Parts: sequence; structure tokens; C-alpha cells
Amino acid sequence: SQELEQSPQSLIVQEGKNLTINCTSSKTLYGLYWYKQKYGEGLIFLMMLQKGGEEKSHEKITAKLDEKKQQSSLHITASQPSHAGIYLCGADPDIIQGAQKLVFGQGTRLTINP
Amino acid sequence: DSGVTQTPKHLITATGQRVTLRCSPRSGDLSVYWYQQSLDQGLQFLIQYYNGEERAKGNILERFSAQQFPDLHSELNLSSLELGDSALYFCASSTHMNTEAFFGQGTRLTVV
Repeated sequence: SQELEQSPQSLIVQEGKNLTINCTSSKTLYGLYWYKQKYGEGLIFLMMLQKGGEEKSHEKITAKLDEKKQQSSLHITASQPSHAGIYLCGADPDIIQGAQKLVFGQGTRLTINP
Repeated sequence: DSGVTQTPKHLITATGQRVTLRCSPRSGDLSVYWYQQSLDQGLQFLIQYYNGEERAKGNILERFSAQQFPDLHSELNLSSLELGDSALYFCASSTHMNTEAFFGQGTRLTVV
């Protein structure tokens, strides 16, 4: 079964600093989803990457997909307190048309210090 | 606000009982997903419905069942509850299959 490992598990950065979160898959990645979760709340969709080499940006968050390395990275530039939360990567272990059953990493807890 | 509504937000019940969690997907979304999030297991996929039909199944226990109704809302039924069933249960929905899903705020179930 596919497993996703996120690193680091926890990250504390000073406001204004850049940071990177990695998500490594045990199997080929056919697509990768990034979500953000505030503690005990629902997941907020950030980005979906579907092709190797694909890179997407939204505001100060950039995500990349490296199919060869079976890895995705999430980079935040000039971090702000609003970026604090738990970041989760998710992937579908099977490509079955009409079905989606995401496997998620354990999450990276990001704390931003003012 | 994702547009996905889950009720109730909190639920406390005793072992052996049965509960029903309800989910209203975003307007126009045909796919509904259920996930369970616990401290030890993380976020785990339970089941997916598309336009009333079951499409994908995860490691959902036999004591759990779900359905999607003609108006597209979905219910997750949990029976013979055990302490270990205490978790956050999320519903998510998407417009089509294999596209990004939007999550509700979850139902926090506590079994005592």
C-alpha cells in the first residue's frame, strides 16, 4: 500500500522566513494534493499537482511535484502568522476512473513566531 | 467556508450505541467522501459515493455503513460503538471524480 512521509513533522519559524515541507511517497505519484488544517478543524484545499515537474503557486505558497523522486515540496515565502497550521499531503494510490481514495501523510505542524 | 456542511459538530455517546453523521455536499457536487481522523491513525479514507452509488471503499469497519441519497446528502452510520471509534469524522465533496475535494468542518465523536 502507498505511504506518504512528510518532513519535518514539526517546524517553528520566525515570521518573515521562508520554509519548505516535503512529502515523499513509497510508490509512484499519479497526483498530489496539499491541504492545510487548523487544529481540530476541516481541511482547506491548497493545490493539486498532476504532472511530473508541475509547479503551482498561490499567493506565497508554491508546490512542486517531482515524479522521478516520488516527492512533492511545499514552499512558503515570507511566512506570516496566518500560515500556521498543519499541512497535509495526500495522494491517490490507484488510478481508477471515477474513484478517489486519498492516502494522507501524517502532517507537518507549522508554528510561526512573531 | 468550504460549502460542505456536517452535522452534528460534536457527539458524545456510550459504547455499544449507534450514531448517524450527516453531510450536505457543496451545491452541484456529485461525489461525497468520508474520512476518519484520529491521533494514532491519522487521516484515513473510509468510503466514496458518486451520485448515489458506492465508488471506492477504504478500510471501513463492518460496523460502519454509509449511503448517499437522491438529494446527494450522505449519512455515515456507526454502530456498536467502541472507545477506539472516538475521532473526527470528515465529509468531503467534489464536482467530479478524481478532482480536488472540499472538506467539511467535521463531526467530533467521543465514545465514553
